[in-house]
Amino acid sequence: DTAVSQTPKYLVTQMGNDKSIKCEQNLGHDTMYWYKQDSKKFLKIMFSYNNKELIINETVPNRFSPKSPDKAHLNLHINSLELGDSAVYFCASSQTGWGYYEQYFGPGTRLTVT
Amino acid sequence: SQQGEEDPQALSIQEGENATMNCSYKTSINNLQWYRQNSGRGLVHLILIRSNEREKHSGRLRVTLDTSKKSSSLLITASRAADTASYFCATRSGGSNYKLTFGKGTLLTVNP
Repeated sequence: DTAVSQTPKYLVTQMGNDKSIKCEQNLGHDTMYWYKQDSKKFLKIMFSYNNKELIINETVPNRFSPKSPDKAHLNLHINSLELGDSAVYFCASSQTGWGYYEQYFGPGTRLTVT
Repeated sequence: SQQGEEDPQALSIQEGENATMNCSYKTSINNLQWYRQNSGRGLVHLILIRSNEREKHSGRLRVTLDTSKKSSSLLITASRAADTASYFCATRSGGSNYKLTFGKGTLLTVNP
């Protein structure tokens, strides 16, 4: 069984379009994340939700809007796509609490904006 | 801002040799984690070491942490071609329970 899944795996679209990426986890975690990995493999946190509440919102353009309908799902909607949005987007999840825990990553969505 | 910096950026070795990757960070942490990323895949957690630990083992992996030098190393012993991947360190700083900050990674190539 896939722990963290993302759809679609590949997304090719033109500048100015709006697109969504979906993420689901079946690990029972209550914290989920979106990361962006650029062409140089640098991985940067974008957003994090805990129990459907936004807890991390890095300096991301407001064209990016995350939505968490429940704690097992975290979707990412991107408006007015730009060339610079081309990257691989990873969803991840983890347990919560003042303890120590690892993150589980999805397979990634490769977004290409032409 | 970027926290961890891996060194070297790329490492090429023969199967059976040991591979050592280093990670330096800037601010105090409460734990440091290592992840592996195979080409075209998501990241996979390898090992987590807490700030009060100095060394940790998991199978062929050995991680050390020196908080006085703000550095960590990952040793893979008896490497295999399947170990070919990018390896990232990630730090969790005190006061930020949710946020991991990743380094740029070391690309390890193990030649058969």
